[in-house]
Amino acid sequence: AQKITQTQPGMFVQEKEAVTLDCTYDTSDPSYGLFWYKQPSSGEMIFLIYQGSYDQQNATEGRYSLNFQKARKSANLVISASQLGDSAMYFCALRMNNNAGNMLTFGGGTRLMVKP
Amino acid sequence: NAGVTQTPKFRVLKTGQSMTLLCAQDMNHEYMYWYRQDPGMGLRLIHYSVGEGTTAKGEVPDGYNVSRLKKQNFLLGLESAAPSQTSVYFCASSRTGIVGELFFGEGSRLTVL
Repeated sequence: AQKITQTQPGMFVQEKEAVTLDCTYDTSDPSYGLFWYKQPSSGEMIFLIYQGSYDQQNATEGRYSLNFQKARKSANLVISASQLGDSAMYFCALRMNNNAGNMLTFGGGTRLMVKP
Repeated sequence: NAGVTQTPKFRVLKTGQSMTLLCAQDMNHEYMYWYRQDPGMGLRLIHYSVGEGTTAKGEVPDGYNVSRLKKQNFLLGLESAAPSQTSVYFCASSRTGIVGELFFGEGSRLTVL
């Protein structure tokens, strides 16, 4: 069974600085995808970024980038130039590409707090 | 831009009562999901559906039933609610294909007394 771990329950970052949120995963299948979602205090789940296991380059979306180290089975989210609005819960999720329903398995989340 | 809509948003039940959560999506997605989120935890998959008329169990299916009679709707039922089912419930949908991220509803907060 696949497993996904976020070891940082909470993190602080100074506004305008960069921050890295850790995510490690465990799977023996070669084909999979990694997702990051943001959950602000209002509760909705917002998709941020996706990385496929066969993608040659690390994914980037605006201020978000994914530091994908396949051999170490890590997919850390890097947020550059943090903003106050980045304060939220962040979830890493794993999807096996051989599963019938595209469902995601989520990590426990990291609460990011941006200080002014 | 409705996306994924869940009703109701909030509900309080007494132990043993039944209720149904409705999820509707207008994106013509094949796949739909019900997750629950408990305080300080990630989301856990309850049931999912890969198309109209199909359902399958997820990680934590006990105490829940689901139905997908129409492609756009995915219903989650609690036949006899228990305090352990107090949680925030999220419905999601996705298109087929490798990348297909999940699109989530806003969540439904259920309290069982």
